Amino acid sequence: GAGVSQSPSNKVTEKGKDVELRCDPISGHTALYWYRQSLGQGLEFLIYFQGNSAPDKSGLPSDRFSAERTGGSVSTLTIQRTQQEDSAVYLCASSPDRPSSYEQYFGPGTRLTVT
Amino acid sequence: GQSLEQPSEVTAVEGAIVQINCTYQTSGFYGLSWYQQHDGGAPTFLSYNALDGLEETGRFSSFLSRSDSYGYLLLQELQMKDSASYFCAVKTGTGGGNKLTFGTGTQLKVEL
Repeated sequence: GAGVSQSPSNKVTEKGKDVELRCDPISGHTALYWYRQSLGQGLEFLIYFQGNSAPDKSGLPSDRFSAERTGGSVSTLTIQRTQQEDSAVYLCASSPDRPSSYEQYFGPGTRLTVT
Repeated sequence: GQSLEQPSEVTAVEGAIVQINCTYQTSGFYGLSWYQQHDGGAPTFLSYNALDGLEETGRFSSFLSRSDSYGYLLLQELQMKDSASYFCAVKTGTGGGNKLTFGTGTQLKVEL
């Protein structure tokens, strides 16, 4: 079946502009995660949605970052007033809702460049 | 807080065996995962250890010692295509869909 998809694949924006990044999880996966990966670095957790529970926003680096998940499926990560330090690859992942679940399925990412 | 330590880079020759270590300090622990990421690609799942011991999946094996807060990924019969970054990640909660805390990654270079 289809994997996790993200759009756009690349985004170049000017400093100060707002951007929206989209993630379509695997159908039926109720858990959805956003991560940020700077060049040559590890994955930095941003936010986690699990079913109808309140999202875990503990990784969002500032109030310029927000995310929503509509209908328990598609998610949008919004960055307002972008800064150059926001340049990174933004990865989305999803996973099934099972107690034994441990594997996350990643999308190809959105490469964000802030000029 | 959460922290995971891995070597930044490892080099080995084709056909050899390489071990990538991971030590962790986390508040809560339910399992250690390993992910592979090729340049420009998405991370892909390799293995998961919830209990102490060795898990084997083909050429790859993963080990966990919870008392030592330590694990490793063992890659055997290295191939050029194994050149990639390898990340350990800790699952810190029970139930489905818990977030993972990732290490900074180990870049593996396989040479002829």
